[in-house]
Amino acid sequence: AQSVAQPEDQVNVAEGNPLTVKCTYSVSGNPYLFWYVQYPNRGLQFLLKYITGDNLVKGSYGFEAEFNKSQTSFHLKKPSALVSDSALYFCAVRVLSGNTGKLIFGQGTTLQVKP
Amino acid sequence: DGGITQSPKYLFRKEGQNVTLSCEQNLNHDAMYWYRQDPGQGLRLIYYSQIVNDFQKGDIAEGYSVSREKKESFPLTVTSAQKNPTAFYLCASSTQGPTYEQYFGPGTRLTVT
Repeated sequence: AQSVAQPEDQVNVAEGNPLTVKCTYSVSGNPYLFWYVQYPNRGLQFLLKYITGDNLVKGSYGFEAEFNKSQTSFHLKKPSALVSDSALYFCAVRVLSGNTGKLIFGQGTTLQVKP
Repeated sequence: DGGITQSPKYLFRKEGQNVTLSCEQNLNHDAMYWYRQDPGQGLRLIYYSQIVNDFQKGDIAEGYSVSREKKESFPLTVTSAQKNPTAFYLCASSTQGPTYEQYFGPGTRLTVT
């Protein structure tokens, strides 16, 4: 079955420290992977995606993600966390169906950055 | 301003009533989606449409219905058959093709009592 897992419900980091939010996936074929962020009572905002090419993908707000095919992972990273990064983060993988297909989302990881 | 609008932001209904949630986009996207979000369960796909006048069931379509008569509009009806309708509902759209990201609306919080 095709799926996405975010093994941590919550990640706590101190402001200024590096952060990592973990994501692993299981799909048949080439994976198309996405990260989104959600602030309270808001819709999701797109951060970055991996389609092909360089394993290190750079996105919005200083975030980046590393694609690792052998470990089937797509971890989200940031070198120096900000308090304003505190939010709910979702990893997603595209499942092909027709021309576009659909996204399967992980359960989400709450990132708490403390001053 | 391009984007996706959902209205209303908060919606209250009595049990047994059908209710329709609005979703409009001016991004000229072919594909549109409806998700349900419950605490601790991430997003679950209700219905999606890849082109006008066509749509497919997602993972939790029971108790919901949709229509796609116009490219820019994809309304969702929560029927009285939906056993637990109270949730946060998110609409999204994207360009056709698997490599394109989805853009999300601000969501509608539905409370049924």
